[in-house]
Amino acid sequence: DTAVSQTPKYLVTQMGNDKSIKCEQNLGHDTMYWYKQDSKKFLKIMFSYNNKELIINETVPNRFSPKSPDKAHLNLHINSLELGDSAVYFCASSQSGGSNGYTFGSGTRLTVV
Amino acid sequence: QQQVKQSPQSLIVQKGGISIINCAYENTAFDYFPWYQQFPGKGPALLIAIRPDVSEKKEGRFTISFNKSAKQFSLHIMDSQPGDSATYFCAARGQGAQKLVFGQGTRLTINP
Repeated sequence: DTAVSQTPKYLVTQMGNDKSIKCEQNLGHDTMYWYKQDSKKFLKIMFSYNNKELIINETVPNRFSPKSPDKAHLNLHINSLELGDSAVYFCASSQSGGSNGYTFGSGTRLTVV
Repeated sequence: QQQVKQSPQSLIVQKGGISIINCAYENTAFDYFPWYQQFPGKGPALLIAIRPDVSEKKEGRFTISFNKSAKQFSLHIMDSQPGDSATYFCAARGQGAQKLVFGQGTRLTINP
């Protein structure tokens, strides 16, 4: 059983399109995150939700909109995709702020052409 | 603003050798320091973690050394194996904060 699953694994799309990435965790964790990993492998947090409430919103363009329908799901919708959005997006989850670590999904590689 | 600085960027070690990766931080409010291992095409996976009230933690071949006064911590991999070849990330979390801040990553290659 996959603990944190993301779909799709690969996403190739044209500039200007709108796309969504979905994430689900079956660990019973109360906090979920979106991280972006750029071409240099740097991991940067984008958003964090705790029990469906947005608690972290880093300096991310407002073309990115997260949504958490329940504490087991966190989706990421991206409007008007740009070339610079190409990256690997990781969903992660943790319990109570992550003092026992995060569990990451296997990532979604987004390529904007 | 890079809150956790990691070095080296890449490291090549012979099989059986010791791999050492270093991290330094500035924020004294950090209270949890994990290391993550990432294989190509996979997400980062928690390897080992330490809190600042201890100076060392060992799990199998992996050891974290922590120097609170110097604001530095390091990962030592003893008897390094080709299967250890991966990218390693140090991270830190502030007390009461809800996010991990990651270092830049170290690409480790173990030559057979």
